Amino acid sequence: LAKTTQPISMDSYEGQEVNITCSHNNIATNDYITWYQQFPSQGPRFIIQGYKTKVTNEVASLFIPADRKSSTLSLPRVSLSDTAVYYCLVGDYGTLTFGKGTMLLVSP
Amino acid sequence: SAVISQKPSRDICQRGTSLTIQCQVDSQVTMMFWYRQQPGQSLTLIATANQGSEATYESGFVIDKFPISRPNLTFSTLTVSNMSPEDSSIYLCSVGGDRATEAFFGQGTRLTVV
Repeated sequence: LAKTTQPISMDSYEGQEVNITCSHNNIATNDYITWYQQFPSQGPRFIIQGYKTKVTNEVASLFIPADRKSSTLSLPRVSLSDTAVYYCLVGDYGTLTFGKGTMLLVSP
Repeated sequence: SAVISQKPSRDICQRGTSLTIQCQVDSQVTMMFWYRQQPGQSLTLIATANQGSEATYESGFVIDKFPISRPNLTFSTLTVSNMSPEDSSIYLCSVGGDRATEAFFGQGTRLTVV
């Protein structure tokens, strides 16, 4: 599985847009890019997945450049409840390998 | 999506004892996964449990320490044996989704060994 690199932490304020970038230079042709969100004392929750270009759902957008060596999770107008750890994963079907994740702290 | 229930949600155990964690899924799944998340750390895969066969353990995890049962397609157990304080962690059960790298997780079992 391709290794991912993302910032350890980010700070934001309520109402702002937050963009978390993940590097995955060794991504394979069959790999998908997936983001998870984890709140304290809960298991990770699937947020969004993409293969290339842009994907948008009711929670977030995922931007993937043509070379697919990075991806950016965009959270529009964050609220205090978006404070969580966000994990970027790349891979195909099979077991998941979690990196260290990005701790996002949203302040009033 | 899948709904996963784990029991117990938390426990405090004496060192040297064992704890069995149960994982129930609301649908039949081929593979179930067990993860450990130590305080302030990311998730680490312990093993993959397939129904009808022995679990496959990741490097650093052995069956004698973490025996797993998978009696049917909706249930699995993970036992943490001969516990020490270093086993204090959150243990999570997971199943795969329809999409690649999609997974659903239980709430986890917070284990404290004293």
